[in-house]
Amino acid sequence: GAVVSQHPSRVICKSGTSVKIECRSLDFQATTMFWYRQFPKKSLMLMATSNEGSKATYEQGVEKDKFLINHASLTLSTLTVTSAHPEDSSFYICSAWDGVSGNTIYFGEGSWLTVV
Amino acid sequence: GESVGLHLPTLSVQEGDNSIINCAYSNSASDYFIWYKQESGKGPQFIIDIRSNMDKRQGQRVTVLLNKTVKHLSLQIAATQPGDSAVYFCAENYNQGGKLIFGQGTELSVKP
Repeated sequence: GAVVSQHPSRVICKSGTSVKIECRSLDFQATTMFWYRQFPKKSLMLMATSNEGSKATYEQGVEKDKFLINHASLTLSTLTVTSAHPEDSSFYICSAWDGVSGNTIYFGEGSWLTVV
Repeated sequence: GESVGLHLPTLSVQEGDNSIINCAYSNSASDYFIWYKQESGKGPQFIIDIRSNMDKRQGQRVTVLLNKTVKHLSLQIAATQPGDSAVYFCAENYNQGGKLIFGQGTELSVKP
C-alpha cells in the first residue's frame, strides 16, 4: 500500500540553527501534504497545508518565517524549522492526501526534534 | 472555531472487555470522520472511518457510530486486548481534501 516516509526520524540540533524535515509519498503523487505538530500527551495540531507548486497555507498562530514549507514536487514536501529554539522541540508529523485513487490520507511516522 | 473534542482523556479497561471511546464535534458541515490509534513515538495509524451519510460502520473488532443530531462520534473496541493500549484520536474532515482537525485524544490502558 501507499507509504509516506519522513526523514529524519530523530534529530538534535543546537539553538539558533535550522533543521529540515522531509516528507515523501513513496508510491503515489500527493498534490497536498499537511504538517502537524504534537507535544507529549497532546493532540496533533495542524500547522500548515502544503500545496505542490504554490505557497503553503498556514494555520492561525503558526509563524510562516519560522516554519518554512516547500512542496517542490508531487512526492516531496519539506518543513524547515529556522533559528530553532528549545521551545520548538516537538514531534512533527506529515500527512499526504491521495485525492486520485480514493480520497485517502496517509501519515508519516513522525520526526522527533530536540533543540539543545 | 471548529473543534473536535473528547469526553474522556483516559480509559482503563480489563482485557477481554469492550471499550467505548467518545468524541464530540462542533462543525455540522463535517462529512468525513476518522479514528486513529497512536502508539508512543509513532505516527497515527488508521483504524476506521465513516462518512456523514452513514450512522454505523463495522470493522474487525471495531465499530464506529455517528450521531449527527448531537454531533457525536464513538469508537467501540470489542474484546479489548493489551495490544490495543494506545492513544486514540478522532479527526474530522470537511471537504478540504485531506485536511484533518484532531480531537484531544483518549489514552486507553488495557489491564491483563
